Amino acid sequence: EAGVTQSPTHLIKTRGQQATLRCSPISGHTSVYWYQQALGLGLQFLLWYDEGEERNRGNFPPRFSGRQFPNYSSELNVNALELEDSALYLCASRGKGSAWAFFGQGTRLTVV
Amino acid sequence: QQQVKQSPQSLIVQKGGISIINCAYENTAFDYFPWYQQFPGKGPALLIAIRPDVSEKKEGRFTISFNKSAKQFSLHIMDSQPGDSATYFCAASLNNAGNMLTFGGGTRLMVKP
Repeated sequence: EAGVTQSPTHLIKTRGQQATLRCSPISGHTSVYWYQQALGLGLQFLLWYDEGEERNRGNFPPRFSGRQFPNYSSELNVNALELEDSALYLCASRGKGSAWAFFGQGTRLTVV
Repeated sequence: QQQVKQSPQSLIVQKGGISIINCAYENTAFDYFPWYQQFPGKGPALLIAIRPDVSEKKEGRFTISFNKSAKQFSLHIMDSQPGDSATYFCAASLNNAGNMLTFGGGTRLMVKP
């Protein structure tokens, strides 16, 4: 069974640009979570999608947004990139009725 | 507000020793407490998890101890091996709030041969 897959693995963008990160959950999982892991700041919750709807968001500005598609895959968009957006962005998926969340390998975003 | 505090930030243990990582939480409504293991350049991998109605859970060399009254839980790694060298994160979540994970700050474990 394939795990959570994220693409791209690495992404380099210039300040002010937009970045799009993608996540495919484990087959059958309907919930997708996005987390930011910045150096020295641990894992911070960004967004939660379930059944195509945004259910909750963490304490991040509106330029962090995303969506979930009918096949439950998800996209994270970061507009007007700032240097401090450089981080590992992790996607996790969870099956309905389960508390277990499984993470992908992450996308390393570097803003220069 | 940091709702899950983890200590120590780093830990060095000799091969064969016991590694102990502690976490404390504030929100008494949390009902699921997982531990994740993360190797450099990889995503966190679910290691073991416990619910508050259980005081201890063991899986192989890994044991979670849970103290509901003290709002603390800990991970014990018995017979620590160099391959256990990684960063460990405790977390907590709330089932009726979508199981969004609140993570501790992480512990970087190094097991010396």
